[in-house]
Amino acid sequence: GAVVSQHPSRVICKSGTSVKIECRSLDFQATTMFWYRQFPKKSLMLMATSNEGSKATYEQGVEKDKFLINHASLTLSTLTVTSAHPEDSSFYICSASPGAGYGYTFGSGTRLTVV
Amino acid sequence: KQEVTQIPAALSVPEGENLVLNCSFTDSAIYNLQWFRQDPGKGLTSLLLIQSSQREQTSGRLNASLDKSSGRSTLYIAASQPGDSATYLCAVYSEKLVFGKGTKLTVNP
Repeated sequence: GAVVSQHPSRVICKSGTSVKIECRSLDFQATTMFWYRQFPKKSLMLMATSNEGSKATYEQGVEKDKFLINHASLTLSTLTVTSAHPEDSSFYICSASPGAGYGYTFGSGTRLTVV
Repeated sequence: KQEVTQIPAALSVPEGENLVLNCSFTDSAIYNLQWFRQDPGKGLTSLLLIQSSQREQTSGRLNASLDKSSGRSTLYIAASQPGDSATYLCAVYSEKLVFGKGTKLTVNP
């Protein structure tokens, strides 16, 4: 089945530093990947759609300069949280789909803690 | 704007019970509906995918139904086990994947 690998699973960083999260589709190619953020006891909120070879599409209210997305290949998308602050602490999850009709597969998530 | 609601928000049952989780959505123009399971601090595991043209899907002890015209889906879990304890999320896909807030299920031994 479709597998999406996300790394790292946990990261603790100091305020003001940047953190990169990787999302890889292991057994399929994904022209589009999605990045979500999940607050405690809340639903997943779509942050942005990552498009291979072009700019990401950000949801309303998401700062594109703070959350940099790069989708340089058909199997890899990265999310970089720039100049992280404690309020950026959250659970970030990526997803992708092998194609129409296959549904979505999610990575294992990244717990970011900014201290 | 698509909105997805899941009822109940939390459910606690004794082991062995059959149970039903409910999901409703406001816009019936969807391509598919997907049920996921999320364990604490973990990512999402896909349980069942129902295409808009389908009415139900089954996998083991799980059965999901879809009534697109009324904007409803149910996830039926038969003979529940403690290992079924998790948060169950319903998501519908039209222009993008929209999630409900989930139902936190606890199955007590």
